[in-house]
Amino acid sequence: DIQMTQSPSTLSASVGDRVTITCRASQSISTWVAWFQQKPGKAPKLLIYKVSSLESGVPSRFSGSGSGTEFTLTISSLQPDDLATYYCLQHTTYPLTFGPGTKVDF
Amino acid sequence: EVQLEESGGGLVQPGGSLRLSCAASRFTFSDYHMDWVRQAPGKGLEWVARAKNKAESYIVLYAASVKGRFTISRDDSQNSLYLQMNSLRTEDTAVYFCARRGSTGLTWDYWGQGTLVTVSS
Repeated sequence: DIQMTQSPSTLSASVGDRVTITCRASQSISTWVAWFQQKPGKAPKLLIYKVSSLESGVPSRFSGSGSGTEFTLTISSLQPDDLATYYCLQHTTYPLTFGPGTKVDF
Repeated sequence: EVQLEESGGGLVQPGGSLRLSCAASRFTFSDYHMDWVRQAPGKGLEWVARAKNKAESYIVLYAASVKGRFTISRDDSQNSLYLQMNSLRTEDTAVYFCARRGSTGLTWDYWGQGTLVTVSS
């Protein structure tokens, strides 16, 4: 199975900060990575797919980059509504595997 | 607006069984692959199983942690996805979400609100 790691596990930031979350795969996953945002008590919400494609309706302050085994999610200017936990997901091979999550708080 | 609504969660003893349902509406259910994803209390997300669509021969796939105990199925005539869970363990305690895999195969564009399964004596 492909293992996904994320760093940091928790991130404390301020409104307006640029925030970067890193996801690493145990082997190359090409471009088959997605990023989700999850707020407490809610279902995950897709933000980014295929490394850098922004899901419809997602604010442009979110962006993704990377290749091979290392990927990043960047929030260019953190907003109060961005308080959440963020997960990466690889869907190169089964089983699909999520990263352990990065909790963003203020 | 697309809707996915899970049901069937509850309290069950270790070794017991439970059947989850996911009712889909406002889209052509038969066209889409569907997933179950779970989240243990205070923990991260775990992919559980996939039911592919008719075009891909209704292939089903499982996480190793549930293979042989859980069965995913779908009834396109009823626009419903199911998860039959047998031989339940305490570690299966989680909120179970159903999710639609987008038509491009790159997205998970709609999710249900989740249903809680608690395995405890």
